[in-house]
Amino acid sequence: EAQVTQNPRYLITVTGKKLTVTCSQNMNHEYMSWYRQDPGLGLRQIYYSMNVEVTDKGDVPEGYKVSRKEKRNFPLILESPSPNQTSLYFCASSPRDLEVDTGELFFGEGSRLTVL
Amino acid sequence: AQSVAQPEDQVNVAEGNPLTVKCTYSVSGNPYLFWYVQYPNRGLQFLLKYITGDNLVKGSYGFEAEFNKSQTSFHLKKPSALVSDSALYFCAVSPDRGSTLGRLYFGRGTQLTVWP
Repeated sequence: EAQVTQNPRYLITVTGKKLTVTCSQNMNHEYMSWYRQDPGLGLRQIYYSMNVEVTDKGDVPEGYKVSRKEKRNFPLILESPSPNQTSLYFCASSPRDLEVDTGELFFGEGSRLTVL
Repeated sequence: AQSVAQPEDQVNVAEGNPLTVKCTYSVSGNPYLFWYVQYPNRGLQFLLKYITGDNLVKGSYGFEAEFNKSQTSFHLKKPSALVSDSALYFCAVSPDRGSTLGRLYFGRGTQLTVWP
């Protein structure tokens, strides 16, 4: 089954304790991206990757790191989480080429992170 | 600055009536435009996109959207609403990068409620 898998789905942590949210897709997509969803703010892009070893900042990259060592994986790293990073996080992937594909983003089910 | 506006936080319609969810954007060049839907506790699902061509785009579940370049709008429409259409709807815009996805800007979302 084609899917984007995020882990963990729920996490409560404390300020400063490094954590990683994993994202994996099995569709051989080139494009992957991370978003955070906050009430009243919609989705904001954190980082995106056009291909392996290629990453770019989105709207709100501060406090986050990413890496794209393999095509299927795009982990989101919070080196020193703070309470303002409490949010619902979504990973998404896409074939990227809008003339060949729909440009549809395939979203994971989300990871709800609480930083105390 | 690039931005996407969904001027209505909530839209309420009766089942069987037409519905419109509004979206306007401020993006340089010729952007790519998308609509996504989010059901409770789920990731977003693709509805439709506009890249070029006909201003009226048809998508999933009977939805369509009309691109208006002069008004920089991309309103989502459906001729006859269903109770099952009740969900959170997001407009998204990607600035022109040739034929590939890059930065993606989402609106804040519009909660659609269709009552029986």
